[in-house]
Amino acid sequence: DAGVIQSPRHEVTEMGQEVTLRCKPISGHDYLFWYRQTMMRGLELLIYFNNNVPIDDSGMPEDRFSAKMPNASFSTLKIQPSEPRDSAVYFCASSFLLAGGSGQFFGPGTRLTVL
Amino acid sequence: GENVEQHPSTLSVQEGDSAVIKCTYSDSASNYFPWYKQELGKRPQLIIDIRSNVGEKKDQRIAVTLNKTAKHFSLHITETQPEDSAVYFCAATEGGGADGLTFGKGTHLIIQP
Repeated sequence: DAGVIQSPRHEVTEMGQEVTLRCKPISGHDYLFWYRQTMMRGLELLIYFNNNVPIDDSGMPEDRFSAKMPNASFSTLKIQPSEPRDSAVYFCASSFLLAGGSGQFFGPGTRLTVL
Repeated sequence: GENVEQHPSTLSVQEGDSAVIKCTYSDSASNYFPWYKQELGKRPQLIIDIRSNVGEKKDQRIAVTLNKTAKHFSLHITETQPEDSAVYFCAATEGGGADGLTFGKGTHLIIQP
């Protein structure tokens, strides 16, 4: 059974470019989370969805960041324009809540470097 | 919002000894407390979690305890092995895990042979 899938695994881009990160949650999971990990700030929540609807986007750094979940099996996180301080590992995680819940399972992450 | 403090930041133990990592949280509404293990360059992996209706949970060599009154929880690893070397993160949230997690800063556990 496949876990959470993310693409690309690595992304190197130049400042000002648009970046799109992709995530496929575990089938049957109805919650999807986007996290960012840096040495300075650790693991921090950016946004999460329930049944494809954004529930809490208070962690999104600024208007340059946007996220969508057009269906239950796909989500994107977009940064436009990108800046060097956006360099981080971006993780997607998914979970379900019924029957006590599953816990959140993380994808392999996308390592983003903005030059 | 929630704030999670984690100690120590680095822990070195001899192989076979026990390791204990402690976390405190600030939001009394939090009711779900997972622990993650992250090896270098890998994803965080859920190793154990506890909900606020129990005080202790055990899974083989790993156990977690929760003190709701004091708002702290701890991870206990017994009979440590080299493969236990990693960074461990605690986290807290309300909503039974249906909300985003607030993570501690992590503990780098080093198992000395």
